[in-house]
Amino acid sequence: QVQLQESGPGLVKPSETLSLTCAVSGYSISSGYYWGWIRQPPGKGLEWIGSMHPGGSTHYNPSLKSRVTISLDTSQNQVSLKLSSVTAADTAVYHCARESFSSTDYWGQGTLVTVSS
Amino acid sequence: EIVMTQSPGTLSVSPGDRATLSCRASQSISGDLAWYQLKPGQAPRLLIYGASTRAAGIPARFSGSGSGTEFTLTISSLQSEDFAVYYCQQYNNWLRTFGQGTQVEIK
Repeated sequence: QVQLQESGPGLVKPSETLSLTCAVSGYSISSGYYWGWIRQPPGKGLEWIGSMHPGGSTHYNPSLKSRVTISLDTSQNQVSLKLSSVTAADTAVYHCARESFSSTDYWGQGTLVTVSS
Repeated sequence: EIVMTQSPGTLSVSPGDRATLSCRASQSISGDLAWYQLKPGQAPRLLIYGASTRAAGIPARFSGSGSGTEFTLTISSLQSEDFAVYYCQQYNNWLRTFGQGTQVEIK
């Protein structure tokens, strides 16, 4: 069974960089699929952030592209997210996810990140 | 960007009744649509992909239909564990977008 578990600081100051890690178990991320992030601000809907394939292909939401970096650490079987210059609008539950061409079939339960001074 | 619009925003249903959720795309996405179930504190669950294919382990009471711009998720007989928020998502292109969600609540 594929499992994803997000971790990282729950509080980030405005203008700083949000950094999260997702530990994947039950599947080797180097074997394929896209691995990415989706977020949900409090009381709002889901927003796709982006994803990366172990072959190097990446796709980002254009609205976030200038601030986002997703990377894969195949040795640790982990997926990372960095979001720079954060504001209160970046406060959200951040989910790690496995994506195929037909769906997002596995998700982590998410971690809440609050942007506040 | 393909805009996904779900209706209704909230659906009040009695256990055992049928629930019908709608999702509309701002342009044709063929059958490139998935449905997800979200519950607080849990990992979201994939229900349907390809507009009508149930994901592994999903009960037969969940069914999806539609193509192009109009899609439907039907839960034939609501069980207590089905009260949740449901989202549709298009994956016709790499800017994957979601609807705003439909909350299915107990009537």
